[in-house]
Amino acid sequence: NAGVTQTPKFRVLKTGQSMTLLCAQDMNHEYMYWYRQDPGMGLRLIHYSVGEGTTAKGEVPDGYNVSRLKKQNFLLGLESAAPSQTSVYFCASSYVTGGNEQYFGPGTRLTVT
Amino acid sequence: AQSVAQPEDQVNVAEGNPLTVKCTYSVSGNPYLFWYVQYPNRGLQFLLKYITGDNLVKGSYGFEAEFNKSQTSFHLKKPSALVSDSALYFCAAPLGGNNRLAFGKGNQVVVIP
Repeated sequence: NAGVTQTPKFRVLKTGQSMTLLCAQDMNHEYMYWYRQDPGMGLRLIHYSVGEGTTAKGEVPDGYNVSRLKKQNFLLGLESAAPSQTSVYFCASSYVTGGNEQYFGPGTRLTVT
Repeated sequence: AQSVAQPEDQVNVAEGNPLTVKCTYSVSGNPYLFWYVQYPNRGLQFLLKYITGDNLVKGSYGFEAEFNKSQTSFHLKKPSALVSDSALYFCAAPLGGNNRLAFGKGNQVVVIP
């Protein structure tokens, strides 16, 4: 049982390049989330999904797109990377019922130059 | 708006001494409250949660937290800190529906040998 996995672990992009971050979970969770972590700001929710084929905006969605074509996968895309998107990105998943804790992946460290 | 606040940036404590990490919340209704820990270069790990019932919640690695409704606080405690407890600690509360969470900015805990 791998839990939540993320690929890649590290990536360096030039401004304007695009990339996709992949999150996979094997716990049959309905809900999945993408966060970014910046020093002194905690975690901020980018987008989330409440089930296969659904996505919704979080606190900081601008510059990102997501897709959930399969229940176990949640993709985060950057169409035209900017230096302000330099951050550590975490994926998480949880069961549906309120009060259930989220399970986090190990993170992707992205640098945009 | 639903939110949590972690008023201290860093907590230094000597090994063997009691450890307290503070969190206050602003959540309507009956809150769900969570504590997570992040070790260097790792994802967040769930420590404990308050849903309802007993105000003292016990969690992983000997941690516990006390829910105080009158003070709107949910402080994390450990009776005797270990060097291995040095990490970043996050308090979290529901952001809204769909199990979304709002995270505090995090507290760096440094346990001094």
